[in-house]
Amino acid sequence: DAKTTQPPSMDCAEGRAANLPCNHSTISGNEYVYWYRQIHSQGPQYIIHGLKNNETNEMASLIITEDRKSSTLILPHATLRDTAVYYCIASYGKLTFGQGTILTVHP
Amino acid sequence: SAVISQKPSRDICQRGTSLTIQCQVDSQVTMMFWYRQQPGQSLTLIATANQGSEATYESGFVIDKFPISRPNLTFSTLTVSNMSPEDSSIYLCSDLGQYNEQFFGPGTRLTVL
Repeated sequence: DAKTTQPPSMDCAEGRAANLPCNHSTISGNEYVYWYRQIHSQGPQYIIHGLKNNETNEMASLIITEDRKSSTLILPHATLRDTAVYYCIASYGKLTFGQGTILTVHP
Repeated sequence: SAVISQKPSRDICQRGTSLTIQCQVDSQVTMMFWYRQQPGQSLTLIATANQGSEATYESGFVIDKFPISRPNLTFSTLTVSNMSPEDSSIYLCSDLGQYNEQFFGPGTRLTVL
């Protein structure tokens, strides 16, 4: 897996968009970018993944730069329940979890 | 995505004993994974379990300490053997989706006294 770098923590106001950055400058051509989140004491939850193109699903949007060296996860309207640790992983197969970003959504 | 359940959800065990954790998936899956999450830490992959073959262990994890069974395409067990307080962790299983994304069970919280 390519190494990823994420800010250790971020804050977001409820109802606003949360934009979580991730750097994966050493990503190889066949590695996907995956995002997971872990709400306290629960198993990680898959959010979204992408290879080259931007992706959107019912949970979030994923924006990948053209050179694929970085990406941004966007939660369009953050709620208090989105408070969690968010993990960005660049991988083909096995997952290597870093420390992630602690996102705190406040009222 | 498949629904994954784990048993037990939590347990408190004595030093030197063993605990077997069960992972059940509601559909047939080829690959399953076992992770450990030590207190305040991120997840670490223990091993990959394919049905019909020996589990593949990651560096730092050995079969004698963490034996794994995979008797069919919907079930796997992880045993934590000869436990010590350092084994206190959350143990999680996952399966592999269509695009190599993984779906996780709720975890088993183990405390070793």
